[in-house]
Amino acid sequence: SQQGEEDPQALSIQEGENATMNCSYKTSINNLQWYRQNSGRGLVHLILIRSNEREKHSGRLRVTLDTSKKSSSLLITASRAADTASYFCATLNDYKLSFGAGTTVTVRA
Amino acid sequence: EAGVTQFPSHSVIEKGQTVTLRCDPISGHDNLYWYRRVMGKEIKFLLHFVKESKQDESGMPNNRFLAERTGGTYSTLKVQPAELEDSGVYFCASSPAGGALGRSEQFFGPGTRLTVL
Repeated sequence: SQQGEEDPQALSIQEGENATMNCSYKTSINNLQWYRQNSGRGLVHLILIRSNEREKHSGRLRVTLDTSKKSSSLLITASRAADTASYFCATLNDYKLSFGAGTTVTVRA
Repeated sequence: EAGVTQFPSHSVIEKGQTVTLRCDPISGHDNLYWYRRVMGKEIKFLLHFVKESKQDESGMPNNRFLAERTGGTYSTLKVQPAELEDSGVYFCASSPAGGALGRSEQFFGPGTRLTVL
């Protein structure tokens, strides 16, 4: 079953703008992670937020977590062309990552 | 430090043929995972090795799929015979030992894109 569901499915923004994507999940979690996949490349781990955290920052990334709503958001500020990629949220059940279908972000120059 | 590598990067085969995908995890990582993304759908877990032992293969679609990890180093995933619905991107990931915390971050390879015609 699909644990994480991203919203929107696709996003097109101008370079310099912010991009926000959301993720909802179904079961209780210990942590939630965000990954990025650039075309032709593997999944890159971006950030992990634990269930007792509400917000976390890493460079231009900001992740929020609302366990009461079982949702998370990923904000990319001041987007760049290199941010063009698919972004996935994932929850970890012991050792198994469960991913959503992803949000495809296109940053226009 | 070398990351997770996968071979081949692309494979195009005909229905009924056999294909073997290979994954070399990060040196020293006991945990090795296989995942698959089929045609724009979510990435799904296939199986998990701890060293050479299969810890969980609950995600393997059917008995046409066989994964091995001889000697606890590299792993192979064989599809025999391949069907059209097997097309997708197969990802391998590895993580060090160290309990749940150590397994939290999984390091992914670039994936193998499999096309079955």
